[in-house]
Amino acid sequence: GNSVTQMEGPVTLSEEAFLTINCTYTATGYPSLFWYVQYPGEGLQLLLKATKADDKGSNKGFEATYRKETTSFHLEKGSVQVSDSAVYFCALTMSSGYSTLTFGKGTMLLVSP
Amino acid sequence: KAGVTQTPRYLIKTRGQQVTLSCSPISGHRSVSWYQQTPGQGLQFLFEYFSETQRNKGNFPGRFSGRQFSNSRSEMNVSTLELGDSALYLCASSLEDRADFYEQYFGPGTRLTVT
Repeated sequence: GNSVTQMEGPVTLSEEAFLTINCTYTATGYPSLFWYVQYPGEGLQLLLKATKADDKGSNKGFEATYRKETTSFHLEKGSVQVSDSAVYFCALTMSSGYSTLTFGKGTMLLVSP
Repeated sequence: KAGVTQTPRYLIKTRGQQVTLSCSPISGHRSVSWYQQTPGQGLQFLFEYFSETQRNKGNFPGRFSGRQFSNSRSEMNVSTLELGDSALYLCASSLEDRADFYEQYFGPGTRLTVT
């Protein structure tokens, strides 16, 4: 079946540091890939997405590139802020998968001033 | 516009009881999906409804069931509760049932504690 593997956290960074959260996937076919963010006490929010190989999703300074050859979709940000502290989830869906998302286990990011 | 609302936000039940959780999607959205979030298993897909029809179901026992009404509101029911059912239950809605094209909007969740 399909699966998503994320690096375990927490990831602890100082403000303005560079962020990378690794995500790799296993899927039969060509999935669409997503990063979601969950702030404390809230539901998930879509951060960015990419629907085909070599696409780059970007939003709020975050970026991720869909790499088919390495089955990866790593999340990066050049300079993190305290307000970026949250849990980040990598996810995939198949074009035949209706609204079903398969999630990684999440990576907590803690940014200190 | 109003977001996805879930009621109740918190619930405490005893083992063996049953529970019903409710989800009101964003106005105009026809697809509603449910997920269970636990520290050990992460986010796991329960089921998805579109226009009152269950389109997809995750790998959960038959104690977990759901339905969708004509106004797209959805409920999920868990019967004969077990301690392991303690979790955050998240509902997501979207315009259509294609997650690759249509953004999923998540509610804040219902925190279920089984004692």
